[in-house]
Amino acid sequence: NAGVTQTPKFRVLKTGQSMTLLCAQDMNHEYMYWYRQDPGMGLRLIHYSVGEGTTAKGEVPDGYNVSRLKKQNFLLGLESAAPSQTSVYFCASKKRVENTEAFFGQGTRLTVV
Amino acid sequence: RKEVEQDPGPFNVPEGATVAFNCTYSNSASQSFFWYRQDCRKEPKLLMSVYSSGNEDGRFTAQLNRASQYISLLIRDSKLSDSATYLCVVHRGPGGYNKLIFGAGTRLAVHP
Repeated sequence: NAGVTQTPKFRVLKTGQSMTLLCAQDMNHEYMYWYRQDPGMGLRLIHYSVGEGTTAKGEVPDGYNVSRLKKQNFLLGLESAAPSQTSVYFCASKKRVENTEAFFGQGTRLTVV
Repeated sequence: RKEVEQDPGPFNVPEGATVAFNCTYSNSASQSFFWYRQDCRKEPKLLMSVYSSGNEDGRFTAQLNRASQYISLLIRDSKLSDSATYLCVVHRGPGGYNKLIFGAGTRLAVHP
């Protein structure tokens, strides 16, 4: 029972490089979320999706793009990485039912140099 | 002003103490409320949901006051293993675009 799986778990990028973070869930959840967590800042919502083929902006969307072509996968893309995007990224998924738990992946630690 | 606000702490308490955390939220479209626990450098995990009638799970009690837009968590008889960051979480319903919003967290350190 995998739950939510994020790949990769660690990555070092050079400024200007691009990369895609993958989030996969096997719980048939409708909602999926991407967050970044910086020291003392808590989790800030980057983008989210309420269903296959739909995405929406969160609190800090600039510099990121997302896609949800399949219900089980939610991809986060960095087109041109900047040092300010050094962070820990968490993906979460949730059922479309009130008062249900959101499940998180183990996080991706990204360093941009 | 942040949508979900918490006292960042840290709260340093001895084992056996009772400690209370508070949280306020500003968006009236908020429908569901939770407390999550996060251990250092790990993913957040659900501690408990918060209901209008209040709810208890062992040593943990959560309360919700919708009129004041206020959520609380009470931990009784603190254990060393309770040391963690506690995150207040609000889920907005369809009227609020279904966003799941986190507070910055309150750090708890329980010492012998």
